[in-house]
Amino acid sequence: DTGVSQDPRHKITKRGQNVTFRCDPISEHNRLYWYRQTLGQGPEFLTYFQNEAQLEKSRLLSDRFSAERPKGSFSTLEIQRTEQGDSAMYLCASSPSFYEQYFGPGTRLTVT
Amino acid sequence: ELKVEQNPLFLSMQEGKNYTIYCNYSTTSDRLYWYRQDPGKSLESLFVLLSNGAVKQEGRLMASLDTKARLSTLHITAAVHDLSATYFCAVTNSNSGYALNFGKGTSLLVTP
Repeated sequence: DTGVSQDPRHKITKRGQNVTFRCDPISEHNRLYWYRQTLGQGPEFLTYFQNEAQLEKSRLLSDRFSAERPKGSFSTLEIQRTEQGDSAMYLCASSPSFYEQYFGPGTRLTVT
Repeated sequence: ELKVEQNPLFLSMQEGKNYTIYCNYSTTSDRLYWYRQDPGKSLESLFVLLSNGAVKQEGRLMASLDTKARLSTLHITAAVHDLSATYFCAVTNSNSGYALNFGKGTSLLVTP
């Protein structure tokens, strides 16, 4: 399968714990986006990378969130000191250009 | 701030009927996307509309774009149960690396 993959698919954590998610984009896609989707809402933009450079962050990305894309390949999204409000589906998308984004299956985070 | 509004947010329709979902956006955007999402799943790309007057059709779904009115429509013809899903429209924001700004989605239920 050459689509976007995300790991883990589900994560349950206790409030205050740190969690890290991984996204593997489609090979050679230089753009990578992270979105968050809460129940009943559309996805909301968090941050984006072009190759290894993080070029834009949404105001939704508080200082407890950090994202990396070393070597311009896979990306990680870390949430420190999780809060119940962080419970959501975290979606990764990759794109070869400005044109179309291909979404991964998402990581569903539940903070108890 | 780029805003995207969809209506209706919920739609229950009988099999065989026709209906239209509307998507309005607040500022100029050079492309508009329609995605489908099944419960608990990620986003599947349906259409990308690039220019004023663009019309695309796939099966029972047809999307159109009027950039002057900042309006896109998704028309459903002779609905079948398999079309039951949530449909999102999204526009790109060049200020955020062409990240997608989504509407809240239209939850469609097709009943016998």
